[in-house]
Amino acid sequence: GNSVTQMEGPVTLSEEAFLTINCTYTATGYPSLFWYVQYPGEGLQLLLKATKADDKGSNKGFEATYRKETTSFHLEKGSVQVSDSAVYFCALSRAGGGADGLTFGKGTHLIIQP
Amino acid sequence: NAGVTQTPKFRILKIGQSMTLQCTQDMNHNYMYWYRQDPGMGLKLIYYSVGAGITDKGEVPNGYNVSRSTTEDFPLRLELAAPSQTSVYFCASSREGSGNQPQHFGDGTRLSIL
Repeated sequence: GNSVTQMEGPVTLSEEAFLTINCTYTATGYPSLFWYVQYPGEGLQLLLKATKADDKGSNKGFEATYRKETTSFHLEKGSVQVSDSAVYFCALSRAGGGADGLTFGKGTHLIIQP
Repeated sequence: NAGVTQTPKFRILKIGQSMTLQCTQDMNHNYMYWYRQDPGMGLKLIYYSVGAGITDKGEVPNGYNVSRSTTEDFPLRLELAAPSQTSVYFCASSREGSGNQPQHFGDGTRLSIL
């Protein structure tokens, strides 16, 4: 079946540092890939997505590239801010865009210190 | 714009009690989902629906029931609460299947079974 593996947290960085959160997946075919962000006490919000190989999703300074050859979708940001502190989830939907929900990684708690 | 609304936000139940978690969306989305989020884990799909009158089991359906009598509402019922059902529950909706359109999440219901 489908699965998503993310780096374990918490990840603690200083403001303006470079961020990478690793995500690899196992799936048949060509799933769509997503990064969601969860701020304290809130639900998940879509951060970015990519629907085919070599696509780059980007939003709010975050980027991730769909790498079919390495089955990866790593999240990056060049200069993080305290307001980026949150839990980040990598997720995939099965190939063909099925109706049966998303498969999530365990989440990575990001802490940005001023 | 209300989006996806969940009630209640918090609830404590005794073992064996029953309750219904409410979820409503005002975006006219056909697809709706229920997930549970356990500490340090990603979200697991409980049930989903592709339209009024149609529901199907997700990855962890045991101990839960759902109904979908209208497009807007997708309640989740716990019949005999057990400590293993202590979790944070999220409802989500999307216009199309999860590969093509993002899912919109509510703020969650934090449920404790004592």
